[in-house]
Amino acid sequence: QVTLRESGPALVKPTQTLTLTCTFSGFSLSTSGMCVSWIRQPPGKALEWLALIDWDDDKYYSTSLKTRLTISKDTSKNQVVLTMTNMDPVDTATYYCARTSSSTSGNAFDIWGQGTMVTVSS
Amino acid sequence: SYELTQPPSVSVSPGQTARITCSGDALPKQYAYWYQQKPGQAPVLVIYKDSERPSGIPERFSGSSSGTTVTLTISGVQAEDEADYYCQSADSSGTYPNWVFGGGTKLTVL
Repeated sequence: QVTLRESGPALVKPTQTLTLTCTFSGFSLSTSGMCVSWIRQPPGKALEWLALIDWDDDKYYSTSLKTRLTISKDTSKNQVVLTMTNMDPVDTATYYCARTSSSTSGNAFDIWGQGTMVTVSS
Repeated sequence: SYELTQPPSVSVSPGQTARITCSGDALPKQYAYWYQQKPGQAPVLVIYKDSERPSGIPERFSGSSSGTTVTLTISGVQAEDEADYYCQSADSSGTYPNWVFGGGTKLTVL
């Protein structure tokens, strides 16, 4: 069974750096075709893809946020970490991590974590 | 930047057919994916590669593609299908690929 779980602070102050961890099980990020993404959703708004890391350690970022984002993985711990610098109240959102298995479902996010709500406020 | 356009809302009566569209210039070249999201829950993949259905997704969910528009069809809508639906695709026209979501469509079952 594939599962993903996000963890991190519920509250951050403006200008601080947010660090989120995605801990997953049921698959290996060293397997060809496997990827993990971060996706966020502000309250009442649409989903927004942020970043993706693949089995080969290639990293891709949202064009609009790439200067603030860093994604990394620790294959031995089955974890993917996202850092976002210079947080602002508009970054208040639920942050999800999700798996892509390109060999089976293409560019789909086929399994999602439950999400973690992050509020940016002083 | 690449955009996917969805209608904000669709309403149908139980038992009828709901059709939710998603338009984007790159859709003739890239697959589309559909997600269902109920309040307070994470999205669930219901259609991948335009028309494939993951295991566990009811047969009443289907997808199709024509030119720059893809369509999610829910036949025989049930009350439990009331949710937000998002289309998604990948834009590879730039230097690096970008994964893009539509603005979402709220399906109301009357």
